Amino acid sequence: TQLLEQSPQFLSIQEGENLTVYCNSSSVFSSLQWYRQEPGEGPVLLVTVVTGGEVKKLKRLTFQFGDARKDSSLHITAAQPGDTGLYLCAVYTGGFKTIFGAGTRLFVKA
Amino acid sequence: GAGVSQSPRYKVAKRGQDVALRCDPISGHVSLFWYQQALGQGPEFLTYFQNEAQLDKSGLPSDRFFAERPEGSVSTLKIQRTQQEDSAVYLCATRRDRGSNQPQHFGDGTRLSIL
Repeated sequence: TQLLEQSPQFLSIQEGENLTVYCNSSSVFSSLQWYRQEPGEGPVLLVTVVTGGEVKKLKRLTFQFGDARKDSSLHITAAQPGDTGLYLCAVYTGGFKTIFGAGTRLFVKA
Repeated sequence: GAGVSQSPRYKVAKRGQDVALRCDPISGHVSLFWYQQALGQGPEFLTYFQNEAQLDKSGLPSDRFFAERPEGSVSTLKIQRTQQEDSAVYLCATRRDRGSNQPQHFGDGTRLSIL
């Protein structure tokens, strides 16, 4: 069983549509990070959420940390082809490890 | 360059051969991580260095995997007697200091294919 469950695994939508992807766990975390990874590149950090219920916005991307700090969501408004990529959530588990979810692969068609 | 640099970008080896993957960190970054990313999966932690000290190697899948960072800068991940299941993208990430709230900066990875 994965520590972080991401859903959906794959999403294909038309340009202009809205979407939400999820990162769920039964564990409580002090913080959670979202990354985007494009083909042939390493992940790039988008945001870190720290406080339960926290909402952060990055242009058309809205990130929310659950009240109980067990889950998070990423909402994209009016998706564009440039949003295509693998969206990963990640947490520190104490010590030095970062644990990643398996990711949601998003494809936005023009 | 300003980012994390990994070489080679692609490596093809025959089963049983040894391989060495290199990571050049951002200058001055204290923390260095190695990850393995299988096709369609997220990165999986392999090992962590703070300067030259390897503080966590719990993610290394077998004793065929060995990592070093002798001068606290460049790091090498070595895989001995490669197996087909070692085929994956190997990512290196560095972080300015020890603080877990600092961002990790990833290289573009080495894609390893074992024939």
